[in-house]
Amino acid sequence: SQQGEEDPQALSIQEGENATMNCSYKTSINNLQWYRQNSGRGLVHLILIRSNEREKHSGRLRVTLDTSKKSSSLLITASRAADTASYFCATATMDSSYKLIFGSGTRLLVRP
Amino acid sequence: DVKVTQSSRYLVKRTGEKVFLECVQDMDHENMFWYRQDPGLGLRLIYFSYDVKMKEKGDIPEGYSVSREKKERFSLILESASTNQTSMYLCASSLGALIDSPLHFGNGTRLTVT
Repeated sequence: SQQGEEDPQALSIQEGENATMNCSYKTSINNLQWYRQNSGRGLVHLILIRSNEREKHSGRLRVTLDTSKKSSSLLITASRAADTASYFCATATMDSSYKLIFGSGTRLLVRP
Repeated sequence: DVKVTQSSRYLVKRTGEKVFLECVQDMDHENMFWYRQDPGLGLRLIYFSYDVKMKEKGDIPEGYSVSREKKERFSLILESASTNQTSMYLCASSLGALIDSPLHFGNGTRLTVT
């Protein structure tokens, strides 16, 4: 079963708007990571947030983590057409140092 | 920047063929991984390797084997390709354990088995 579940499955916004994607997970984690995947390509790492962190920023990206609710959110501010992609959360759990469990992803479309 | 290179972007093979998918990384990473990605099923780990000649099964190893003879190269082998192995295959590497290090992915190989 999926550890991470993203919500919504698909999101369509206008360029310049903010996009928020959510991820929920089931078991205790070491860290949670967000990746982007452009159509037909590999995944690109965006941010890693550790279980003892609550918020992290990178450029126009802001990630929050709430371990009590077992959830994370990714906010992309001032979105651009180039942000159109699928976004995945992935969790590194306590029971394995070498496994990331990926969610099913959110497909983001940014309309020019 | 880390570069993970997969030898083919697209492959078409026949049922029963032995298929080799090659992956090379250029950053001296210890760990390498093979995933497959299918619509509705997300990314699933097939095999990973944490050192030369060392390998561990992931979640869906059946029908696959791997080889890591050199640190930079990790090969995925489909012993006898079947149509249910039609998928996007993604290779990745990481510097350290995933509790600290992110994955760096190649661009994928889209395999079609007919």
